[in-house]
Amino acid sequence: QVQLQESGPGLVKPSQTLSLTCTVSGGSISSGGYYWSWIRQHPGKGLEWIGYIYYSGSTYYNPSLKSRVTISVDTSKNQFSLKLSSVTAADTAVYYCATRNTGWFDPWGQGTLVTVSS
Amino acid sequence: DIQMTQSPSSLSASVGDRVTITCRASQSISSYLNWYQQKPGKAPKLLIYAASSLQSGVPSRFSGSGSGTDFTLTISSLQPEDFATYYCQQSYSTPDTFGQGTRLEIK
Repeated sequence: QVQLQESGPGLVKPSQTLSLTCTVSGGSISSGGYYWSWIRQHPGKGLEWIGYIYYSGSTYYNPSLKSRVTISVDTSKNQFSLKLSSVTAADTAVYYCATRNTGWFDPWGQGTLVTVSS
Repeated sequence: DIQMTQSPSSLSASVGDRVTITCRASQSISSYLNWYQQKPGKAPKLLIYAASSLQSGVPSRFSGSGSGTDFTLTISSLQPEDFATYYCQQSYSTPDTFGQGTRLEIK
């Protein structure tokens, strides 16, 4: 059973870069067939898809964030990562990593709250 | 982007009630529609994929239907653990988009 776990700083200063890592266990990122995804949820709000990456390195980003987002994969560590540059308070959210299977997201990590504040 | 609109935004119901939540897409998405349940402080959990397929381990009181632009999630007999927020998500075209959520509360 694949499990995902997010990690990274919980506090980021405005204008800096948010960096998170998702560690995959119980399965290999390199096995193919899945897109490794990032989704966020602003406090008390709905869900926003950020982007996903295939193990080969192909990426797909939400156009609303594309200019600031980079998703990368490290198959040797069975991890994938999110970088979001030039953050503002509007980027304060719970960030989830998830596996995209055909079209749906399952499973999800537990989520990590990132607060943007000086 | 395809807009997903859920109704109602919130709903009060009692244990044992039959509940239906609706999700409408701004354009046809065939059957590329998925449903999630989210409880406070937890990650969303997949309930239904491809409009009507029940995810493994999900109770059979949950069902999904629809195609094109109109979809429904039905809970046949509400249980105490079903009080949560429900989201639909379309995977027909990038970017994937979610509905705004339906909060199901205890009456």
